[in-house]
Amino acid sequence: DAGVIQSPRHEVTEMGQEVTLRCKPISGHDYLFWYRQTMMRGLELLIYFNNNVPIDDSGMPEDRFSAKMPNASFSTLKIQPSEPRDSAVYFCASSPGGAWQEQYFGAGTRLSVL
Amino acid sequence: AQSVTQPDIHITVSEGASLELRCNYSYGATPYLFWYVQSPGQGLQLLLKYFSGDTLVQGIKGFEAEFKRSQSSFNLRKPSVHWSDAAEYFCAVASRNAGNMLTFGGGTRLMVKP
Repeated sequence: DAGVIQSPRHEVTEMGQEVTLRCKPISGHDYLFWYRQTMMRGLELLIYFNNNVPIDDSGMPEDRFSAKMPNASFSTLKIQPSEPRDSAVYFCASSPGGAWQEQYFGAGTRLSVL
Repeated sequence: AQSVTQPDIHITVSEGASLELRCNYSYGATPYLFWYVQSPGQGLQLLLKYFSGDTLVQGIKGFEAEFKRSQSSFNLRKPSVHWSDAAEYFCAVASRNAGNMLTFGGGTRLMVKP
C-alpha cells in the first residue's frame, strides 16, 4: 500500500479564498483523522471519522472549517473563507481500529494564507 | 480530560551518547501510550506503544520506553544516538473513555551533534 496520500503538499492562497485539502486513507482502515500542526498550538485533532461517519468534530476551530468523507477512500477538509491564522500544516491519518491502534500519517499539506 | 506533558522542548546530545526524552501524562485509568517521531517535512511515524503487560516496551530504530504508573511517566530512551535520530518526538495518550482520540504532547526536538 502507498500509505496515506494527501494533496496538495503545499498550498498558498489569499485571505478569503476557499481551500480544499484532500486525503486518501490506507485501504481497509476504518478510522480517519484530521490534525493541524502549528508552532503555537502543536498538534491538534480537528475531527475524526469512523466508517465514513464523523464521530467527533469538537476540535474544528469554527464554522469556516468543514470535513467530509463521502466514501471509504476519500476525505476532504475545507476552509471557507480562509484567514491568515489558518496557516499551518494539516495532517491526515488513518487507523485500522480505534485510537489505541497505530495511526498512519500522511506527509501533510502545508497551507499558507496570505 | 487526558493530557500529556513533554517538559523538554529542545534537547541536544552528541552522537553515540545515550538519550532519554521525558513524558508525563494525566489520566485516571491505565492509558494507551505512544511515542511518535516526525522527521522534517514528514508525517509522524510510530516508534512504540504500550497497552498493558511488560512495562518496558521495545520499538523500532533501537528505541525503548518504560511505563511507570507511580510517576505517570512514559520516558523514551536510546542507549546510543545516531545522527539520523535528529527529529521531533511526540508522546501521546489515548483511551476508549476519551472517545478513541489521541492526545499529543507538545513535542521534543532532538538535535544530534557530530
